Amino acid sequence: GQNIDQPTEMTATEGAIVQINCTYQTSGFNGLFWYQQHAGEAPTFLSYNVLDGLEEKGRFSSFLSRSKGYSYLLLKELQMKDSASYLCAARDSNYQLIWGAGTKLIIKP
Amino acid sequence: GAVVSQHPSRVICKSGTSVKIECRSLDFQATTMFWYRQFPKQSLMLMATSNEGSKATYEQGVEKDKFLINHASLTLSTLTVTSAHPEDSSFYICSARDRGMDWTPLHFGNGTRLTVT
Repeated sequence: GQNIDQPTEMTATEGAIVQINCTYQTSGFNGLFWYQQHAGEAPTFLSYNVLDGLEEKGRFSSFLSRSKGYSYLLLKELQMKDSASYLCAARDSNYQLIWGAGTKLIIKP
Repeated sequence: GAVVSQHPSRVICKSGTSVKIECRSLDFQATTMFWYRQFPKQSLMLMATSNEGSKATYEQGVEKDKFLINHASLTLSTLTVTSAHPEDSSFYICSARDRGMDWTPLHFGNGTRLTVT
């Protein structure tokens, strides 16, 4: 079956760095997405990886290893507003998105 | 950037009534729109894929007669929850992809919080 695994919850300190891991098993692969979702709001797009390697976008970076079925989202210089859930989603051979349950990130001062 | 507008943002209705939720792509054409439901502290659950000019494709376990989807134009899809019951209370989110651009990410509406009393 198809599956996405990511930690349920993580805690980090303001100004620090945190890495949120995601492993996936899909029928075929057409890219991996990271979304941020604040409580009670819709998800917003953060990053997209389809080739192996690191994609950097300001304070946020995302990494992909297709051979390992693994991705991570790296958040640097954490700010209180980064407290949110982070959703990992992999797209299968039919271009269907398979969603992870999300990682709730708690930022402490 | 691409904007998806969803309306209403919140709705409270009585059990047995129907509620319509609209999803519009404001600055792009969306051949396909997706309807999700999200219960508290859970991930997004795809309910159905809405295709312009044709019938929606429903995920397993989603009642098509209860959740009516209409995608009448390239910029508008509607979800009608018919004969709503308290267990239908949830956060409903639509999303859309720019027409013909399969590699692009989904753009989400702001969601509709439905409460059935």
